[in-house]
Order: sequence, then structure tokens, then C-alpha cells
Amino acid sequence: EAQVTQNPRYLITVTGKKLTVTCSQNMNHEYMSWYRQDPGLGLRQIYYSMNVEVTDKGDVPEGYKVSRKEKRNFPLILESPSPNQTSLYFCASSLLGRGEQFFGPGTRLTVL
Amino acid sequence: QQQVKQSPQSLIVQKGGISIINCAYENTAFDYFPWYQQFPGKGPALLIAIRPDVSEKKEGRFTISFNKSAKQFSLHIMDSQPGDSATYFCAASMNFGNEKLTFGTGTRLTIIP
Repeated sequence: EAQVTQNPRYLITVTGKKLTVTCSQNMNHEYMSWYRQDPGLGLRQIYYSMNVEVTDKGDVPEGYKVSRKEKRNFPLILESPSPNQTSLYFCASSLLGRGEQFFGPGTRLTVL
Repeated sequence: QQQVKQSPQSLIVQKGGISIINCAYENTAFDYFPWYQQFPGKGPALLIAIRPDVSEKKEGRFTISFNKSAKQFSLHIMDSQPGDSATYFCAASMNFGNEKLTFGTGTRLTIIP
């Protein structure tokens, strides 16, 4: 089944404790992206990648890191999480130039 | 800077009625306008999309109307059903740019019997 998977789905952590949210897709998509969803703000792009070893900032990159060492994986790293990073995070992927992005099921992160 | 403005924030429609959600954009370089549907606990999923070379696109009960000169587009759901109750997001992108979707703030649609 073609899909985007994220892990974990739910995470509660404390300020300053490094964490990684994994994202993997099995559709051979070049493009991958991370969004955060907050009430009243919609989805905002954090980082994106157009291919292996090619990443760039989105609209809200502060406090986040990403890497793209393999085409299928695009982990999101929070080196020192803060409470304002409490949010619902989505990974998405697509073929370049094809429009439709496929979203993962989301990761709900709470930073205390 | 809100580049895609969506309204209303929430909408209640009776079963069988027409649901209408509106979006307006600012960036004239946008050339791809999708609507995503999101159910609770799920990621957004593409519902229908349009490019600016047409003024309307219909797929089943869902229609996008597009007004390039006004920089507006809207989603119409005909014969709305309780199963349509979800959050709807409009979005826009420069499809041959970085593929980034700029989303509206979402509309929570509730269809009542």
C-alpha cells in the first residue's frame, strides 16, 4: 500500500530533551516536506526536500532540523524542544511537478 | 503574511444542502489550487484541484469555481452528507517551484441531519 508513515504518533516530552520524528514514504517521491498544524493557523511548512541531500527552509524553520540521506526517509529533529513547539506535525511527499501531496497520519507533540 | 485567506472558519449545513467555502489569494504566481479534506485523527487528503486555465472543475458532488481576475476560488459541495463533515483546507502553490503548499486556515464543516 502506497503510504507515508510517521513515528511516533503521539509524544509527550520535556523542554530541552532532543527528539526525532521519523517520516518514511514508499512511493519513490522526490519531494518531501514537514508541516505543523495549529488551530486557526492552518498548516505551515517547516522544511522541505526536493531530493536526497537537498533540503531547504519553509516558513517556520526555527528550532527544527531535517536530513535527507535516503530518498524514502525525512526525519524531523528538535534539538532542544520548547513549549511553543507543541503542535500536530505532518510529513508529506509528492512527485516533483505533479501537484498532489500525500500526507502521513500526523504526530501530536506536547512539550512540557 | 497570510497569502491564502479562507472563510468561513466554521460552517453548519443541513443534509442535502450546498456547502460553500471561499478562498482568496494574493500571489499571482500561484498556478495550482487544491482542496484538502481532513478527518479527525487523520492527515489531509487531496479532494479536488484546479489550475488557472479553467474556471470550474467538477468531480462528483464537489466543484471548484475559480475566478482568476478576482484571485478567488471556492469549493461547493452539493447534496451535502453527514460523511462530508470534516475540516477543509484550500491551498495554493507554484507547482514548478518548490512544490510548497500555502494553506488557508481551514473550515470545519458540520452536516446536520
